[in-house]
Amino acid sequence: GAGVSQSPRYKVAKRGQDVALRCDPISGHVSLFWYQQALGQGPEFLTYFQNEAQLDKSGLPSDRFFAERPEGSVSTLKIQRTQQEDSAVYLCASSLEVGMGNEQFFGPGTRLTVL
Amino acid sequence: SQQGEEDPQALSIQEGENATMNCSYKTSINNLQWYRQNSGRGLVHLILIRSNEREKHSGRLRVTLDTSKKSSSLLITASRAADTASYFCATVASGGSYIPTFGRGTSLIVHP
Repeated sequence: GAGVSQSPRYKVAKRGQDVALRCDPISGHVSLFWYQQALGQGPEFLTYFQNEAQLDKSGLPSDRFFAERPEGSVSTLKIQRTQQEDSAVYLCASSLEVGMGNEQFFGPGTRLTVL
Repeated sequence: SQQGEEDPQALSIQEGENATMNCSYKTSINNLQWYRQNSGRGLVHLILIRSNEREKHSGRLRVTLDTSKKSSSLLITASRAADTASYFCATVASGGSYIPTFGRGTSLIVHP
């Protein structure tokens, strides 16, 4: 079956532009996570959804970052008024169930470059 | 913030040799996971070890966990050029969190 997909794979934005990054999780997966990965670093948690409910958004770096998953499947991460420090790879992951021991399946990521 | 710290940061070996990577963490955990990331396949889950387990095997991978030292190791035996990648440990803290916290990773290069 299809894995987690993300689009676009690459995005170049001018500083100040708004961007929207899409994640299609594996069908039926309850949990969905967004991470930000800077060059040479590990992924850093941004936000977590259980179905359509956003249960944890403690990792969002500022109020310019907003995520939604309105129907409990596809999720969108929106960044308003992008800044150069937002340049990173944004990773989406899903897992089948809720819980601490469930394997996460990651998408290929969206590489965002803010000029 | 990143809880797990991998050591070494970079490792270069010849095909056929074993590769050992270590991960240290700070708080009590429910489980610890190892992931591999390369440009071809993105981030892939390798193995999960729970806090009450001491050792786990999966193919050529062996993971150990020492909760008293707050450390884990990943051993790749008989390495292959295809094992070239970055390896990350991720911890899930005890106390109800679902969120894995990743370290900075170890970059492994296996020379053919």
